[in-house]
Amino acid sequence: GAVVSQHPSWVICKSGTSVKIECRSLDFQATTMFWYRQFPKQSLMLMATSNEGSKATYEQGVEKDKFLINHASLTLSTLTVTSAHPEDSSFYICSAPLHDRRSGANVLTFGAGSRLTVL
Amino acid sequence: KQEVTQIPAALSVPEGENLVLNCSFTDSAIYNLQWFRQDPGKGLTSLLLIQSSQREQTSGRLNASLDKSSGRSTLYIAASQPGDSATYLCAANQAGTALIFGKGTTLSVSS
Repeated sequence: GAVVSQHPSWVICKSGTSVKIECRSLDFQATTMFWYRQFPKQSLMLMATSNEGSKATYEQGVEKDKFLINHASLTLSTLTVTSAHPEDSSFYICSAPLHDRRSGANVLTFGAGSRLTVL
Repeated sequence: KQEVTQIPAALSVPEGENLVLNCSFTDSAIYNLQWFRQDPGKGLTSLLLIQSSQREQTSGRLNASLDKSSGRSTLYIAASQPGDSATYLCAANQAGTALIFGKGTTLSVSS
């Protein structure tokens, strides 16, 4: 069935480097995708809404110049953590709305997440 | 802005007990309400989704209810098992928007 794929599933990088995380919708198109992050023992916090062909919308407190989001196609959104620091270490999860024909509802489908560790 | 609250934050029960997890939300104009399970260090597993027009959904030993007027949802787990130990997350959204998550209830079922 249709799923959302994230890559990489985990990444370790040095402080000051940039890391790109990909979120792909498989077998369906997504004009909108959502990016979340989850710190240890905390819940998922919405970071930004990724819009295909236009600028992302960031939640309050999320630095748009640090977390670059690009949604260049209907099946791919990328999140780039620029000049990563240890405090950026987190679990990043994306989701995309999938239209469920049986129920008629748009159901947010989540990727498996990407765990970033910044040394 | 939608806020989702889950009570209790943690729960420990012996195997076999029936239990209820609570979720409340501030904006009753929701589109979907979903319950997820998250195991330590893992991603999300969707358990049940309740659409705005529905009152409840059932899957196996799980039953989720939705009362929009009171801003509440409950997840009922029957005959709990050690394998049910995990964090359970409640999330709600309006049409076309992201899901807003509660902080979760961490469940521990002892054998």
